[in-house]
Amino acid sequence: NAGVTQTPKFQVLKTGQSMTLQCAQDMNHEYMSWYRQDPGMGLRLIHYSVGAGITDQGEVPNGYNVSRSTTEDFPLRLLSAAPSQTSVYFCASSEIDTDSPLHFGNGTRLTVT
Amino acid sequence: ILNVEQSPQSLHVQEGDSTNFTCSFPSSNFYALHWYRWETAKSPEALFVMTLNGDEKKKGRISATLNTKEGYSYLYIKGSQPEDSATYLCAFMEYGNKLVFGAGTILRVKS
Repeated sequence: NAGVTQTPKFQVLKTGQSMTLQCAQDMNHEYMSWYRQDPGMGLRLIHYSVGAGITDQGEVPNGYNVSRSTTEDFPLRLLSAAPSQTSVYFCASSEIDTDSPLHFGNGTRLTVT
Repeated sequence: ILNVEQSPQSLHVQEGDSTNFTCSFPSSNFYALHWYRWETAKSPEALFVMTLNGDEKKKGRISATLNTKEGYSYLYIKGSQPEDSATYLCAFMEYGNKLVFGAGTILRVKS
């Protein structure tokens, strides 16, 4: 059982480049989300989804796009990378029940130069 | 913007000490309160999910309580061990399943 799989693990981009961080889960979870982790700031919610075709913004959505065409996949797109987007990105999923915990991927470390 | 606060920011204790940390969250639109343990170079792992006022959860030496009316939760570790060293995160879920994290409490246990 793979759980939540994130790719790539590491990525270096130049300012202005675009890229997509991939996230896939095999647990049939309805809820999926993207967080970024910056020193001293914990995990900040970027975007989340409660099911295929449904997405919503979190605390820090600017500069990021998401889509949810299937239950399994929830890619995060950086439209035009900026140095401020240098961070570690985590994808997480859970069942839609309020008492279900999040399952996290292993993270993607992104550096924008 | 939701404000989820954790205190203290960091804590250094000796092996065998008992310790506790606090998570404060909005007392309105409450759906659930999560606690996670995050070890260095790993991903966060769930400890507890609490949904009812007065909830108490326990897993081994770690326990948690919840007060939704006043908006706080306590995490307790009894007899801390070096392997308990980690960052402990709480997260508040409001209506719509949006889960917002606090900045975490860093625990270091010295042997």
